[in-house]
Amino acid sequence: QVQLVESGGGVVQTGGSLRLSCAASGFSFRSYGMNWVRQAPGKGLEWVAFIWYDGTNKFSADSVKGRFTISRDNSKNTLYLQMNSLRPEDTAVYYCARVRVSYSVYDCLDDWGPGTLVTVSS
Amino acid sequence: EIVLTQSPGTLSLSPGERATLSCRASQIVSSSYIAWYQQKPGQAPRLLIHGASTRATGIPDRFSGGGSGTDFTLTISRLEPEDFAVYYCQQYSSSPQGFTFGPGTKVDIK
Repeated sequence: QVQLVESGGGVVQTGGSLRLSCAASGFSFRSYGMNWVRQAPGKGLEWVAFIWYDGTNKFSADSVKGRFTISRDNSKNTLYLQMNSLRPEDTAVYYCARVRVSYSVYDCLDDWGPGTLVTVSS
Repeated sequence: EIVLTQSPGTLSLSPGERATLSCRASQIVSSSYIAWYQQKPGQAPRLLIHGASTRATGIPDRFSGGGSGTDFTLTISRLEPEDFAVYYCQQYSSSPQGFTFGPGTKVDIK
């Protein structure tokens, strides 16, 4: 069965960097687009970034553009989120999520990891 | 960027009642690329509906989605105790603008 497990969260100071990882198993990782979605404490969901199944195209929200970079290593079945210049407003649980259909570009998210908490202290 | 608005913010109902949740988009959402998710405290979201009206795998038929253009609805025909949660709509039609979520509707026990 599909399993997604995030890691790399923790406490970091304003201006610092962190790299999140998402280990995938139970499906053909190289065939699916992947996303990062975050949720600040007590708030709603915010889409962060999306990468195509083959890594050739990437998109990110305006709120993180130029600071966060999504990437993947299909040989390691792992998704990454490199987060630089972190701000207190980046404090959130970060989820990785798989698109529903293989090779699709426009698609919803049907499998999610449990999330990893990132806290940016001022 | 497509902005989604959900109403009401909170819906207070009793088990067995019908819940109707609304999601309105600032622009037409092409091909009805609207999804609905359920989230319970401390858990990741769960996909309920995609393509505006198609139930995801394993979702009970008391959940139904409808609408087109800019107005979409999620209906829960008879609320079960496990349905009290927060519900989010999402549009996924406008990459690279992003796959934006609505602010959510909380369904709580009256």
